[in-house]
Amino acid sequence: KQEVTQIPAALSVPEGENLVLNCSFTDSAIYNLQWFRQDPGKGLTSLLLIQSSQREQTSGRLNASLDKSSGRSTLYIAASQPGDSATYLCAGATDSWGKLQFGAGTQVVVTP
Amino acid sequence: DGGITQSPKYLFRKEGQNVTLSCEQNLNHDAMYWYRQDPGQGLRLIYYSQIVNDFQKGDIAEGYSVSREKKESFPLTVTSAQKNPTAFYLCASSIEGRVNQPQHFGDGTRLSIL
Repeated sequence: KQEVTQIPAALSVPEGENLVLNCSFTDSAIYNLQWFRQDPGKGLTSLLLIQSSQREQTSGRLNASLDKSSGRSTLYIAASQPGDSATYLCAGATDSWGKLQFGAGTQVVVTP
Repeated sequence: DGGITQSPKYLFRKEGQNVTLSCEQNLNHDAMYWYRQDPGQGLRLIYYSQIVNDFQKGDIAEGYSVSREKKESFPLTVTSAQKNPTAFYLCASSIEGRVNQPQHFGDGTRLSIL
């Protein structure tokens, strides 16, 4: 069974610093890797989706990479802002219809 | 605006009671999902449906039931058989349940035991 791990569980950085969030998965037969943002008491917002055939995806200040051979994905957030404070979750699609296996998330605090 | 609406936002259940969580979407998505989130844990899949009148069990379906009579609606019933129902429940949808389409989420229902 696919297991997805996110370390660290929490992270605090000063405003302006680049954020690096890690996600590891045990089964390289992954269909895609998705990154989500969750604000307190809210649902998830999709940030980036990397197909299994892709190495990275970019959207604005966000860049996500995927290395299936090592079982890792990394989310980079450039020039962090206090508004980036949230929990970030990664999820791997484990079958062709898109069933997702989630990590527990990394809680990020960006201090002014 | 298109989106997913979950109601109620907060729900309380008494012992031996069944409760139903509502999920409605106006995105014209075929696939819908129910997840459970516990503190410090990732989301776990309860049930999913790829098409009207069809649904499958996820990883933790015991004590839950669903129906999919309309494309836009996917209600979840938490039965009295679910002994630890306190959690944050999230509904999601996607286009045709295809692997290259992201899932869109509602704002969740928080269920607690009285």
